[in-house]
Amino acid sequence: NAGVTQTPKFQVLKTGQSMTLQCAQDMNHNSMYWYRQDPGMGLRLIYYSASEGTTDKGEVPNGYNVSRLNKREFSLRLESAAPSQTSVYFCASSDPHSRGRYEQYFGPGTRLTVT
Amino acid sequence: GENVEQHPSTLSVQEGDSAVIKCTYSDSASNYFPWYKQELGKRPQLIIDIRSNVGEKKDQRIAVTLNKTAKHFSLHITETQPEDSAVYFCAASTARGNEKLTFGTGTRLTIIP
Repeated sequence: NAGVTQTPKFQVLKTGQSMTLQCAQDMNHNSMYWYRQDPGMGLRLIYYSASEGTTDKGEVPNGYNVSRLNKREFSLRLESAAPSQTSVYFCASSDPHSRGRYEQYFGPGTRLTVT
Repeated sequence: GENVEQHPSTLSVQEGDSAVIKCTYSDSASNYFPWYKQELGKRPQLIIDIRSNVGEKKDQRIAVTLNKTAKHFSLHITETQPEDSAVYFCAASTARGNEKLTFGTGTRLTIIP
């Protein structure tokens, strides 16, 4: 099992450009999440998807959109990148309805710089 | 919404000593409290978690305690080793499972050989 995979690993964008971060999991998990990690701020939830076809806003959704393409894939789109979106982005998945197994499994992260 | 505060932000301990990291949460409905460890340049990984119906949980050198009345929980690492050096995050959830975790801001633990 590859677990949770993310592409790309690194990306540099100019202000105003758009891009999509891809995430896939092969653990048959129902729930998937997108977080951003900034120094001194911890991990902040951007969006999450409790199941295929559903998405919900997290703590910091402004400037982002998501698509739960199928059970495996959950993408994050920046329509018009801003320097404030410079961050490390983590995708995660879990199966909270599986008895006793609440762990969120994280991908390796995408380091995004917006200039 | 839920607010999780974590202290200290940095912690240095001598190898072999114990380390304690503390978190407080605001929502009394929170029922699940995991701890994640993130080594430099790596992804966060769960190291231990506790449900609100349990006061303490231990796994080898790591233990977590929960005080629901005071709304705080703590991570205890005993007999620290160099490989314990990392950033540790606490989190809390009010959801039925672990959807919408709210994370603390992290503690950078350095073990001094």
